[in-house]
Amino acid sequence: DTGVSQNPRHKITKRGQNVTFRCDPISEHNRLYWYRQTLGQGPEFLTYFQNEAQLEKSRLLSDRFSAERPKGSFSTLEIQRTEQGDSAMYLCASSLGMNQPQHFGDGTRLSIL
Amino acid sequence: AQSVTQLDSQVPVFEEAPVELRCNYSSSVSVYLFWYVQYPNQGLQLLLKYLSGSTLVESINGFEAEFNKSQTSFHLRKPSVHISDTAEYFCAVSSSGGGADGLTFGKGTHLIIQP
Repeated sequence: DTGVSQNPRHKITKRGQNVTFRCDPISEHNRLYWYRQTLGQGPEFLTYFQNEAQLEKSRLLSDRFSAERPKGSFSTLEIQRTEQGDSAMYLCASSLGMNQPQHFGDGTRLSIL
Repeated sequence: AQSVTQLDSQVPVFEEAPVELRCNYSSSVSVYLFWYVQYPNQGLQLLLKYLSGSTLVESINGFEAEFNKSQTSFHLRKPSVHISDTAEYFCAVSSSGGGADGLTFGKGTHLIIQP
């Protein structure tokens, strides 16, 4: 069990640029989740996958946000045309199945200049 | 819809004293409950979980939490805290009825251990 891995750990970009984050879940976990955490708040659920199927995406914050998990293994979260308000920690988690404990990565901290 | 309320944003406690971090939830369906701990610049680590069965659940590092359905609470307790327990603690809930499987988190409680 190597844990959930997220890359990069930190991303600094200018407003208006596109960014993409990667998440590698625990290998036997078929569920993968994305959350956003802003300063002083708990994580906020964005979307999740079961294998390669994205089962919930209504919580994505706007149409600038999209996520993929093309082969049911790693996942990417993309933010297009970044805005100041997108600055946050983006967390990925994985689990063995529905309502099983979720294991989190260390997150990607996004800073928008 | 479900929600989680953590009543205290900060709890200062002296080392070796007992502590209770409060968590209340609101949900129209049955729930599963979790406590996570977050150290600075790190992700969340699962501390303990209530899925079913005994309402008192324990972790390996001395924390325990009790599910109280009538009071819709899942308070976290430790009889004697250590400096290393200084961290942010998050209570979370998920619906046991399926549907969107994301966790709903409270705003967190910062546990500050004073020597």
